[in-house]
Amino acid sequence: NAGVMQNPRHLVRRRGQEARLRCSPMKGHSHVYWYRQLPEEGLKFMVYLQKENIIDESGMPKERFSAEFPKEGPSILRIQQVVRGDSAAYFCASSPRPGFGVGSEASYEQYFGPGTRLTVT
Amino acid sequence: AQKVTQAQTEISVVEKEDVTLDCVYETRDTTYYLFWYKQPPSGELVFLIRRNSFDEQNEISGRYSWNFQKSTSSFNFTITASQVVDSAVYFCALSDLGNNLFFGTGTRLTVIP
Repeated sequence: NAGVMQNPRHLVRRRGQEARLRCSPMKGHSHVYWYRQLPEEGLKFMVYLQKENIIDESGMPKERFSAEFPKEGPSILRIQQVVRGDSAAYFCASSPRPGFGVGSEASYEQYFGPGTRLTVT
Repeated sequence: AQKVTQAQTEISVVEKEDVTLDCVYETRDTTYYLFWYKQPPSGELVFLIRRNSFDEQNEISGRYSWNFQKSTSSFNFTITASQVVDSAVYFCALSDLGNNLFFGTGTRLTVIP
């Protein structure tokens, strides 16, 4: 069973360009989460999506950032008109169920992808 | 609001020494989950452990052990007989029954051969 896939692993963009980051969840997972890790910091939640729906985007910057998880295909995190401050590692996680449930069921676990490192020059 | 504090920014130990990584959390929820992740130099996140707030039993897995103390809101992680391969950044994280994880800022562990 393949893990969470993210591509590209490394992405370089000039200021003002668009960045598109892709995340393919694990097979059977319909819940996707995006996190951002700025240099020397912990991960910060950005957005939670289910198929065709954004459930929680409380961590998403209000401008230039958008996310989607279509019925078919990977989840996409899109950053328009990138700036140097967008340089970070972007991690995607997937789970088969929402939230963390009650108890210790492994089925509520979030499984992380390897991340995409975005560098804005 | 949820908050995770990892006060140790960097730790260096000599191989075979034991090392404890501290994690203190804040939450108003009575039901929550605590996690530790390892981020090696290659950058991926490796899940180590998940604990729910109702289970204060300490856990041991090989050279790794975790001490969960609700009274002090701490979830500390000990590596016994450290090895060079343990060198990584370690993150403690917290979640309620919501949809996201709150991460600490991480502790960079360097094990010197």
